[in-house]
Amino acid sequence: NAGVTQTPKFQVLKTGQSMTLQCAQDMNHNSMYWYRQDPGMGLRLIYYSASEGTTDKGEVPNGYNVSRLNKREFSLRLESAAPSQTSVYFCASSEAMGTPQDTQYFGPGTRLTVL
Amino acid sequence: AQSVTQLDSHVSVSEGTPVLLRCNYSSSYSPSLFWYVQHPNKGLQLLLKYTSAATLVKGINGFEAEFKKSETSFHLTKPSAHMSDAAEYFCVDSGAGSYQLTFGKGTKLSVIP
Repeated sequence: NAGVTQTPKFQVLKTGQSMTLQCAQDMNHNSMYWYRQDPGMGLRLIYYSASEGTTDKGEVPNGYNVSRLNKREFSLRLESAAPSQTSVYFCASSEAMGTPQDTQYFGPGTRLTVL
Repeated sequence: AQSVTQLDSHVSVSEGTPVLLRCNYSSSYSPSLFWYVQHPNKGLQLLLKYTSAATLVKGINGFEAEFKKSETSFHLTKPSAHMSDAAEYFCVDSGAGSYQLTFGKGTKLSVIP
């Protein structure tokens, strides 16, 4: 039982390049999330997926797109990377968002640098 | 909008001494509160969560937190710090049935041998 896995662990991009961050969970969770973590700012929600087939914007969605491929997988795409997107990206999953005390479980993160 | 304030950005303790990490929340409704820990270059691990069943919540690795509605606080404590406790700690509020987690800015705990 691996929990939440993310690939790649590290990535360096040049401005304007595109890439997709992959996330998968094996806990049969319905809801999945993408966050970015910047120094001194905690985590901020980029996009979320309440259930398979649905996605919605979070606090900081600009410059990103997502795909909920199936119940297990939720990918984050940067179409044209910018230096402001240098960050650590975390994927999380939970049993059912919107229910009281629903707990999110986090992956190990992807460290992205955009030059 | 709800907010979470971690009152100390950095706390330093000696090994074997008590740990206190302070957190205040601003929810006007009954919050759902969590503490997560992040070790260097790692993901976030759930330490404990407040379920409203009891105001004193016990978590993993000897940590506990007390929910005090009158003070809107949810401070994290541990009786005796261990070197392996050195990490960053986040207090989090998910609101009443909300999906969106509100994170505090984190408290970095250093443990001095």
